[in-house]
Amino acid sequence: AAGVIQSPRHLIKEKRETATLKCYPIPRHDTVYWYQQGPGQDPQFLISFYEKMQSDKGSIPDRFSAQQFSDYHSELNMSSLELGDSALYFCASSRGGVDFSYNSPLHFGNGTRLTVT
Amino acid sequence: AQTVTQSQPEMSVQEAETVTLSCTYDTSENNYYLFWYKQPPSRQMILVIRQEAYKQQNATENRFSVNFQKAAKSFSLKISDSQLGDTAMYFCAFHGQNFVFGPGTRLSVLP
Repeated sequence: AAGVIQSPRHLIKEKRETATLKCYPIPRHDTVYWYQQGPGQDPQFLISFYEKMQSDKGSIPDRFSAQQFSDYHSELNMSSLELGDSALYFCASSRGGVDFSYNSPLHFGNGTRLTVT
Repeated sequence: AQTVTQSQPEMSVQEAETVTLSCTYDTSENNYYLFWYKQPPSRQMILVIRQEAYKQQNATENRFSVNFQKAAKSFSLKISDSQLGDTAMYFCAFHGQNFVFGPGTRLSVLP
């Protein structure tokens, strides 16, 4: 079965550069979530989208932006990268919106490991 | 590639009762970590408990304990004295060369 696809798997950037991470949800999934997991830390919720609209916002820095496109894939854009942005970035998808009561299971991608030097 | 399976999409338990969430995984690695995360409606991922694969002793954290069976690649979570605040999604996760989440189990604690 198709899973959540994240690209690239690894990315190395220098400070002050920009990076774009991509997430392709499971077919027919309309909800996408982004998480950031720093070394030795719990995954931190950044932002989510449902039907191409932002639905929840977590601890996403102002330097980051994200959007969901008409084909439901999502991109996380990161500018003015800092050393502290080095982390594993997970994307997850589900179907039916972010309402906890009705949410379908969350499926996680394998993550993009971003290293900022 | 590693896989994590949670065979129970949804479970419910009465308040003050005990519930066990199952998790199995597949890996050829020998050294790794296993986690249980709780995800409330806020979408945060809250670490419940972690287990190092090289430790035979099962991890415990207050009302939460695990039954780790390395040979069987099983890592179940037991919640004792369930509380209404335990209602959440629970994700099992494997951390070896890759970090892999299971599909989650929705737990509802009923009053």
